[in-house]
Amino acid sequence: GENVEQHPSTLSVQEGDSAVIKCTYSDSASNYFPWYKQELGKGPQLIIDIRSNVGEKKDQRIAVTLNKTAKHFSLHITETQPEDSAVYFCAAINKAGGTSYGKLTFGQGTILTVHP
Amino acid sequence: DTAVSQTPKYLVTQMGNDKSIKCEQNLGHDTMYWYKQDSKKFLKIMFSYNNKELIINETVPNRFSPKSPDKAHLNLHINSLELGDSAVYFCASSQGLKSGYGYTFGSGTRLTVV
Repeated sequence: GENVEQHPSTLSVQEGDSAVIKCTYSDSASNYFPWYKQELGKGPQLIIDIRSNVGEKKDQRIAVTLNKTAKHFSLHITETQPEDSAVYFCAAINKAGGTSYGKLTFGQGTILTVHP
Repeated sequence: DTAVSQTPKYLVTQMGNDKSIKCEQNLGHDTMYWYKQDSKKFLKIMFSYNNKELIINETVPNRFSPKSPDKAHLNLHINSLELGDSAVYFCASSQGLKSGYGYTFGSGTRLTVV
């Protein structure tokens, strides 16, 4: 099945700095990679996603890059703000078949703290 | 509001008891999931139902039994609760098992077994 590794586990930045979270996946059949933000006491919320036929996607201050060959994908947050503080999860899913078919597999999570 | 709703939000119970968590979605999705989040925040899939049919059943003890009376509801019943069952349980839904797009999560049920 799929295995997603996420780093770092904690990330502390100053307001206005950039933050980068990196993930690797094991199943080459995975073809959809969402990122979720989980605030305290809430469920994960989708913030951005990328499909395997795209190398980069941007939405205002957040961007995601995907390197299919290396099986890496990353989340980039620019001009961080205190309200960006949360736990961020990467995930991967295989929509094509195999043992990981239909399962959204999460990374271990990154606790991002943005200091004012 | 369109959402995935879970009840209860908090559940404190003694070892050996049986408890249920309910989930409902009004998004018109046909696939629903149960995820478990442990104390280290790790999210792991437990079950998935597509149009009331069990599609994914991970290595979960038999004490956990999901039930989907219709595609808008997915409940989780847990028998003989153990201390290790303490966690936050999230229900989620999506349109189509193949898509994986736009999983919508509920706000979670924090289960504490004492």
